[in-house]
Amino acid sequence: SQQGEEDPQALSIQEGENATMNCSYKTSINNLQWYRQNSGRGLVHLILIRSNEREKHSGRLRVTLDTSKKSSSLLITASRAADTASYFCATVNSGNTPLVFGKGTRLSVIA
Amino acid sequence: SQTIHQWPATLVQPVGSPLSLECTVEGTSNPNLYWYRQAAGRGLQLLFYSVGIGQISSEVPQNLSASRPQDRQFILSSKKLLLSDSGFYLCAWSAGTNNQPQHFGDGTRLSIL
Repeated sequence: SQQGEEDPQALSIQEGENATMNCSYKTSINNLQWYRQNSGRGLVHLILIRSNEREKHSGRLRVTLDTSKKSSSLLITASRAADTASYFCATVNSGNTPLVFGKGTRLSVIA
Repeated sequence: SQTIHQWPATLVQPVGSPLSLECTVEGTSNPNLYWYRQAAGRGLQLLFYSVGIGQISSEVPQNLSASRPQDRQFILSSKKLLLSDSGFYLCAWSAGTNNQPQHFGDGTRLSIL
């Protein structure tokens, strides 16, 4: 079963703009993770945010977590063409079961 | 540093044929290991995971099985492939508990004819 649902399903922006992707989930979580997948490749881990954290940064990436709304967002600032990929959120629920992935957001950054 | 190897990269098999996909991890001990399937344009479906040698948990009833004969080796198998087994298969590992990030191989594109 899928826990996280990303929104939007697809996003197209110009290079230099910011990209925001959202993730909603249904049950209490232990942590939430964001991954990136280039076409035809494996996933690459970006950021892990724990349930007691509200915001984390890594380079041009900013992740927020609102456990009261059961939602998270991934912000990519000053996007580049190389950021074109699919982005997935994944959750570990409070029962500590394996990661459950959403269906992803396809991001296209146009040069 | 840790690395994960998954092969082959692509595979075309006839319906009814057997399957064996192999995944190995280097540079770490006692990893958690995972097999996922990804349909075109979709998210990842967890098929199997393993927390130790010989320990396999199946998430979805299906035509596939998994084995972990060695600490850092994870094998996905089928005795008779179905058309519905087509997809992109990904192996991943994580350290210790499920609270750690997962690290993925480059996947196997399986086409059933």
